[in-house]
Amino acid sequence: KNEVEQSPQNLTAQEGEFITINCSYSVGISALHWLQQHPGGGIVSLFMLSSGKKKHGRLIATINIQEKHSSLHITASHPRDSAVYICAVRSRGNEKLTFGTGTRLTIIP
Amino acid sequence: GAVVSQHPSWVICKSGTSVKIECRSLDFQATTMFWYRQFPKQSLMLMATSNEGSKATYEQGVEKDKFLINHASLTLSTLTVTSAHPEDSSFYICSAPSAGAQETQYFGPGTRLLVL
Repeated sequence: KNEVEQSPQNLTAQEGEFITINCSYSVGISALHWLQQHPGGGIVSLFMLSSGKKKHGRLIATINIQEKHSSLHITASHPRDSAVYICAVRSRGNEKLTFGTGTRLTIIP
Repeated sequence: GAVVSQHPSWVICKSGTSVKIECRSLDFQATTMFWYRQFPKQSLMLMATSNEGSKATYEQGVEKDKFLINHASLTLSTLTVTSAHPEDSSFYICSAPSAGAQETQYFGPGTRLLVL
């Protein structure tokens, strides 16, 4: 079993729909990252969470430390949101990240 | 925001040659940088941790003599793929953590390597 599991693996939705991507992890962490990777390969860090909830524009990320679970939400989705979204956790005591397998999101106009 | 650059962005080389990839932090100092490899439709896999002023730390299964890492300064780390083979063809990405209480990871744009 991977230390970081994401679901779904693939998600296709219509423009405007509310999107939720889930991430579960099995180790103690100091922080959790949500990353966005576009088809060209470049990666952008969207959020870093250690507790609670963060919001940036149409993106919301939440984390429940007790349940070892995080969600990334996208409101009013747009075709430009199409990308691979990756959850990564930083274990306690080191700076290394362990990555989930990613969720490929496609938003259809 | 902080920027991490990589050079080259893509490279095609013949089998047996060596390829050097540079990772630079452009507006912050990074005592630590990370090198990842990503095969098609797979997630990132950490190869090694590059430490300024000391030896790199390699993940299990990564050959340190094949993937040479040099963290020459607080803003530059290089990964050299020695005697490259077609199976080394991959997307190589570096990242650097920012300092401070709101530490986050800044990723380079990646280097696509194709070994013929």
